[in-house]
Amino acid sequence: NAGVTQTPKFQVLKTGQSMTLQCAQDMNHEYMSWYRQDPGMGLRLIHYSVGAGITDQGEVPNGYNVSRSTTEDFPLRLLSAAPSQTSVYFCASSRRGGGANEQFFGPGTRLTVL
Amino acid sequence: DQQVKQNSPSLSVQEGRISILNCDYTNSMFDYFLWYKKYPAEGPTFLISISSIKDKNEDGRFTVFLNKSAKHLSLHIVPSQPGDSAVYFCAASGLGNDYKLSFGAGTTVTVRA
Repeated sequence: NAGVTQTPKFQVLKTGQSMTLQCAQDMNHEYMSWYRQDPGMGLRLIHYSVGAGITDQGEVPNGYNVSRSTTEDFPLRLLSAAPSQTSVYFCASSRRGGGANEQFFGPGTRLTVL
Repeated sequence: DQQVKQNSPSLSVQEGRISILNCDYTNSMFDYFLWYKKYPAEGPTFLISISSIKDKNEDGRFTVFLNKSAKHLSLHIVPSQPGDSAVYFCAASGLGNDYKLSFGAGTTVTVRA
């Protein structure tokens, strides 16, 4: 199993550009989430999905869109990039229930917006 | 406002000694707590967790203690090894919301030889 994969690993954008961060998991997990990590702030939840066709906002959703058309994929779209979106983005997945709550994280995408 | 707080940004410990990492939370609805470990240029990996119905959980060299009345948990690493040098994140989730984790800012642990 590849686990959770993310592409690209690095990206530089200009203000106003749009792009999609890709995330895929091969563990048949129901839950998937996107986080951003900023210095001194830990990881903050952007959007999450509890299953195909179902998404919801997290703590910091503004400027981002998501969709979940399949169990495996959960892309994150930046509509019009801003310097405040410079961050490291992590995708995570986990199975429903069981009490373990263990989320598996991808390796991250480092995004710089100029 | 951060609901999970790690007030020590860094910790330096000698190899073989105990590392103690602390975490405080403000949301009384949290019922599950986790610790994640992160190396540079990698994603966080799950380390150990504890349910609110317990006050201690142990896994090898790692033990997590939970004090619900104080809204405080700690992670003990005994003995500390060089490979333990990493950033450690405390996280929490509420009942029925196990897909939504709230993270602390992290503590960078450096184990000195």
